[in-house]
Amino acid sequence: DTGVSQDPRHKITKRGQNVTFRCDPISEHNRLYWYRQTLGQGPEFLTYFQNEAQLEKSRLLSDRFSAERPKGSFSTLEIQRTEQGDSAMYLCASSLVGSAYEQYFGPGTRLTVT
Amino acid sequence: ILNVEQSPQSLHVQEGDSTNFTCSFPSSNFYALHWYRWETAKSPEALFVMTLNGDEKKKGRISATLNTKEGYSYLYIKGSQPEDSATYLCASYNTDKLIFGTGTRLQVFP
Repeated sequence: DTGVSQDPRHKITKRGQNVTFRCDPISEHNRLYWYRQTLGQGPEFLTYFQNEAQLEKSRLLSDRFSAERPKGSFSTLEIQRTEQGDSAMYLCASSLVGSAYEQYFGPGTRLTVT
Repeated sequence: ILNVEQSPQSLHVQEGDSTNFTCSFPSSNFYALHWYRWETAKSPEALFVMTLNGDEKKKGRISATLNTKEGYSYLYIKGSQPEDSATYLCASYNTDKLIFGTGTRLQVFP
């Protein structure tokens, strides 16, 4: 399967714990995006990378959130000191720079904070 | 601030019924409009990317139209089947990101 993959698919954690998610984009795609979907809402943009550079961060991305794409391939999204409000589906997408409006999504990581 | 809206929020239809959903979006600075189908436990699947006013696209029993001047798009499903059950998301592309509506959840009963 050469699509976008995400790991883990599900994560249950206790409030206050740190969690890290991984996204592997389509191999030739140089852009990588993170979105978050909470109950009853559509996915909302969090941040995106072009190669290893993080080009934009949403105001939704508090100081407890950090994303990296160290070698311009896979990306990690870490949430420190999780809160119940962090419970959501975290989606990753990738695209080529030249057709950035065509974003391909992974299956998401569903986070539940208890 | 971009606001993409979809209606209805949910829809229950019988197998064989035809149905349609609406997506409205700001018409200023329009670039592209996407429709995705998202089934539970799967990746959102791109159905259509539309860029031109008056554009009409079709894939099997599903089709979509686009009006960029008034800022709306319709998605039509002809002869719904149980496997069409999913959440249908529309998204407007703006400054390197997708702005999504809240989706329409479709359930097709046999």
